[in-house]
Amino acid sequence: GAGVSQSPSNKVTEKGKDVELRCDPISGHTALYWYRQRLGQGLEFLIYFQGNSAPDKSGLPSDRFSAERTGESVSTLTIQRTQQEDSAVYLCASSRQSGTINYEQFFGPGTRLTVL
Amino acid sequence: RKEVEQDPGPFNVPEGATVAFNCTYSNSASQSFFWYRQDCRKEPKLLMSVYSSGNEDGRFTAQLNRASQYISLLIRDSKLSDSATYLCVVNIAGTYKYIFGTGTRLKVLA
Repeated sequence: GAGVSQSPSNKVTEKGKDVELRCDPISGHTALYWYRQRLGQGLEFLIYFQGNSAPDKSGLPSDRFSAERTGESVSTLTIQRTQQEDSAVYLCASSRQSGTINYEQFFGPGTRLTVL
Repeated sequence: RKEVEQDPGPFNVPEGATVAFNCTYSNSASQSFFWYRQDCRKEPKLLMSVYSSGNEDGRFTAQLNRASQYISLLIRDSKLSDSATYLCVVNIAGTYKYIFGTGTRLKVLA
């Protein structure tokens, strides 16, 4: 079946502009995660969605970052007034959950964001 | 102390060698364990889940030691294509968060 897809694959923007990144999870995966990975660094958790529950936004680095998800489908991550330090790869992952069991995460190919 | 720790490497090994990575975790409530590989400028891809009894997939063997709180990955007969960063990932029971190690870099040399 189809994996996690993300768009755009690359985004170059000017400092101060807003950007919107999109993630399509695997069908049937109720959990969706956004991560940020700076060059040569590890994964940094940003936000988590699970079904219709309130999202965990504890990893968002500032109020310029926001994300939405409608039900168990597409999610968008929006970065307002982009700064150069926002340059990174933004990865989306989805997984199944059953009760308290968390299954493997599957990642999309990421969006490489460059802020000039 | 980091929640999940890995030796960053790099591990430089010749083709055909056997190489092992360890990963230690600090939370005894850790429930699910995974190894991912990440190629340069690519997304992490699931290599294997790690089960309590240990599991093997071809040249790859994963082990879990709950008493000592570590997991291991053994790669036999290394191939050039095994060159990548290997990420250890831990999920804490009752939570949805996956804790990622910073990865161990492997270079298999011809």
